[in-house]
Amino acid sequence: QKEVEQDPGPLSVPEGAIVSLNCTYSNSAFQYFMWYRQYSRKGPELLMYTYSSGNKEDGRFTAQVDKSSKYISLFIRDSQPSDSATYLCAMMGGKSTFGDGTTLTVKP
Amino acid sequence: EAGVAQSPRYKIIEKRQSVAFWCNPISGHATLYWYQQILGQGPKLLIQFQNNGVVDDSQLPKDRFSAERLKGVDSTLKIQPAKLEDSAVYLCASSFNTDTQYFGPGTRLTVL
Repeated sequence: QKEVEQDPGPLSVPEGAIVSLNCTYSNSAFQYFMWYRQYSRKGPELLMYTYSSGNKEDGRFTAQVDKSSKYISLFIRDSQPSDSATYLCAMMGGKSTFGDGTTLTVKP
Repeated sequence: EAGVAQSPRYKIIEKRQSVAFWCNPISGHATLYWYQQILGQGPKLLIQFQNNGVVDDSQLPKDRFSAERLKGVDSTLKIQPAKLEDSAVYLCASSFNTDTQYFGPGTRLTVL
């Protein structure tokens, strides 16, 4: 069993929709939780970073962490075609461990 | 601020050949990472350097992979000999401390 499991997708939504991306993890040592966005043929780009349970908001993006359930989510409000990318969750407790990504397509 | 630079961007080799990748991190970033990303998967950490010392190389296949960061700045990752299953994107990342990592564009390796 992988330490980090991510909803595989792919996910296709209309422009303006609310998107929910989710990961679960098994390692209680994970202390930091990140979401990266990766466009095709590019390196991952950090979107959100948090280390505590609760919500963190940045513009249209909200990261949610529930340590008791070992579950994290990324919500995208008013999704745009430019949000079309692969989203990777990552967790760190020493070294970083990534999920396998969810590919999102936002259709105009 | 210049980002993480990697070269080459693409490389095609035959199995059993050797290949080397180069990474120049963001200036001032002490921590450097090499990741392997196989198509459809997330990045897998191969090796982490703090300055020129190795912090974690537990997932580096040491029989064929090697990496160095001699002066605590640039780094090279080498594969010798390459296998078909080494076909992947090799990502370099750097960080000032050990949380926020900045990734380069990657080197796409195809082993035939």
